[in-house]
Amino acid sequence: EAGVAQSPRYKIIEKRQSVAFWCNPISGHATLYWYQQILGQGPKLLIQFQNNGVVDDSQLPKDRFSAERLKGVDSTLKIQPAKLEDSAVYLCASSVEQGATYEQYFGPGTRLTVT
Amino acid sequence: GDSVTQMEGPVTLSEEAFLTINCTYTATGYPSLFWYVQYPGEGLQLLLKATKADDKGSNKGFEATYRKETTSFHLEKGSVQVSDSAVYFCALSPAAGNKLTFGGGTRVLVKP
Repeated sequence: EAGVAQSPRYKIIEKRQSVAFWCNPISGHATLYWYQQILGQGPKLLIQFQNNGVVDDSQLPKDRFSAERLKGVDSTLKIQPAKLEDSAVYLCASSVEQGATYEQYFGPGTRLTVT
Repeated sequence: GDSVTQMEGPVTLSEEAFLTINCTYTATGYPSLFWYVQYPGEGLQLLLKATKADDKGSNKGFEATYRKETTSFHLEKGSVQVSDSAVYFCALSPAAGNKLTFGGGTRVLVKP
């Protein structure tokens, strides 16, 4: 079974530029998540999709971040304009229900550096 | 809101030493608890989990017991190897829902 795919793996941009990240979840996983992991910290949920609907985007900075999951499969996370504090690893995860829990599977992440 | 607190690292050990990483949580109800591991250059992987009080999760020689009375989920391994060098994250998901809340991570370095 193929894992969660993300691209690009690395991106360097200047502040005020825009950037987009792509995620392809594991086939059949209805739930998709985007997390932000700042260096030295644990991942923080930005947005959660169930199929193509948003379940939770309470921690997404909506003035500059946007995300979509068209057709309930692939997803794109965009930042426009980027700030220095957006430098982080952006993780995509997908999940499927297993008994009483949803086990999340993570992609390799995209490391963003904003200069 | 929900939160997870884990001991800060780095933790440096010799091979075959005993490892404990403390994790405590704040949540309403009965959350599910997880330990994730991030090896150098790799993505996050689920190490073990427990879904109810007194459950013990185990995998690859690691164990953690869900203690409701102390709101803790400490990770232990009796004899670590160099290959266990990684960053370990404690996390929880609420009783209703599947959003993960992570602790800050603990870097473990095992020396030969």
